[in-house]
Amino acid sequence: AQKVTQAQTEISVVEKEDVTLDCVYETRDTTYYLFWYKQPPSGELVFLIRRNSFDEQNEISGRYSWNFQKSTSSFNFTITASQVVDSAVYFCALRQETSGSRLTFGEGTQLTVNP
Amino acid sequence: DTGVSQNPRHKITKRGQNVTFRCDPISEHNRLYWYRQTLGQGPEFLTYFQNEAQLEKSRLLSDRFSAERPKGSFSTLEIQRTEQGDSAMYLCASSPGTSLETQYFGPGTRLLVL
Repeated sequence: AQKVTQAQTEISVVEKEDVTLDCVYETRDTTYYLFWYKQPPSGELVFLIRRNSFDEQNEISGRYSWNFQKSTSSFNFTITASQVVDSAVYFCALRQETSGSRLTFGEGTQLTVNP
Repeated sequence: DTGVSQNPRHKITKRGQNVTFRCDPISEHNRLYWYRQTLGQGPEFLTYFQNEAQLEKSRLLSDRFSAERPKGSFSTLEIQRTEQGDSAMYLCASSPGTSLETQYFGPGTRLLVL
C-alpha cells in the first residue's frame, strides 16, 4: 500500500522566516517518484519538483530546497526567506511503479506567510 | 497559453441532475487523468487514459460516473443522478506519457450539488 503523510495541517510564519514542510511516505516499491505541488487560492495545482527513488541528491531552486532521505522515508520542502506570495496549500505526492500512473497525495499543509 | 484547461470552472446543480465536465490536456500529452478533491483534503485519483483507452479506474468511480476520451484529445467526465456527496473540485491533469511522467493540472471544476 502507498501512503503520504503531511503531519502539519497549518503553518503560519512571518515574512522572511524560513519554513520547512514535512512529508513522510510509505511504499513497498523500490522504484517510485515523489512530487511537491503548490495550490494557491485560485485552486490550480502547480508542479514544483519531481524526485525518483534512485536520486537522493538534495535540490535547490532559488528560495526552495528539498531534502530527500530514503532512510527515514521523508521528502521535506524548505522555503527560505518566505514571502507573502508563498501562502498556499502545499501537497506532497507519491507515484509507485506498481500502481500505474496514479498519484497518491498527502492531505496538504496550509502555509500562511504574514507581512 | 498551452496548459490544461477545464470547463466549466464552476457548476451548481440540483441533486438528481446529470452534469458533464470537459478537460483539454496539454497538446501532445497522451495521458490524461481525473482526480477529485474535497475540502481540506488532497486530490484523490479517479481514472486515467492513455490516448483513447481508459487504463485504470479507482473504486471511487462509482457506476454513476463515466469518463471518455473519444479521440485521444479532450476528455469528458459525466456524473449521473448527482448526490450531495459529489460536491467537490474535479481536477484534470495530463502528462507526456514518457518516463518523466510529471502530471500537469488544470484549474479544476468546482461542483456544488444542492
